[in-house]
Amino acid sequence: QSALTQPASVSGSPGQSITISCTGTSSDVGGYNFVSWYQQHPGKAPKLMIYDVSNRPSGVSNRFSGSKSGNTASLTISGLQAEDEADYYCSSYTTSSSVVFGGGTKLTVL
Amino acid sequence: QVQLVESGGGVVQPGRSLRLSCAVSGFMFSSYGMHWVRQAPGKGLEWVTVMSYDGSNKYYADSVKGRFTISRDNSKNTLYLQMNSLRTEDTAVYYCARDLGDSQWSWGEYWGQGTLVTVSS
Repeated sequence: QSALTQPASVSGSPGQSITISCTGTSSDVGGYNFVSWYQQHPGKAPKLMIYDVSNRPSGVSNRFSGSKSGNTASLTISGLQAEDEADYYCSSYTTSSSVVFGGGTKLTVL
Repeated sequence: QVQLVESGGGVVQPGRSLRLSCAVSGFMFSSYGMHWVRQAPGKGLEWVTVMSYDGSNKYYADSVKGRFTISRDNSKNTLYLQMNSLRTEDTAVYYCARDLGDSQWSWGEYWGQGTLVTVSS
């Protein structure tokens, strides 16, 4: 199972909005709604930000939103804040009854 | 509150075995599917395995199939990962994580702090 494709890095200024893409295939992202997004700060465990494409767990800011079109899922962060600077990973269920992650995207808040 | 605490990591020689544990508290363990995920130093996340809430279903990444075994003891609120025939490429921080309750594939709501496994001669 090949990893999902994410941009290596994205950046934005405080207050701006950014979008991170996550491209897979019809065997994973395009075929199921089990797409999640995780935030990871250095030396910390990942934190779930979005699950099932567009749902936010309790306690996650509504500045974070998720969507999907075809084989590509997206995470949008609006009103960028300094604490949003982190690595972001997408994941998806696959037809092989497994989970595949994206390679990760480093978000820099300028 | 919900807590997941991994243990059992350490330094092990290639070809040897190691068993990781994930002790949980703050929720009804027997109602949730559980995953193991690993992260090699400086690398991204890699999914390893999942076990359903009752232990009836388990699935593995191709990279560990036939070498790693996931299990759980619901009476002890503990998840395990038995790792055999370890390779240098298995070196990573290993995390356990819980699903959200509706499906084992909607998961990652809670994670442990991770335990480091180093495979080296």
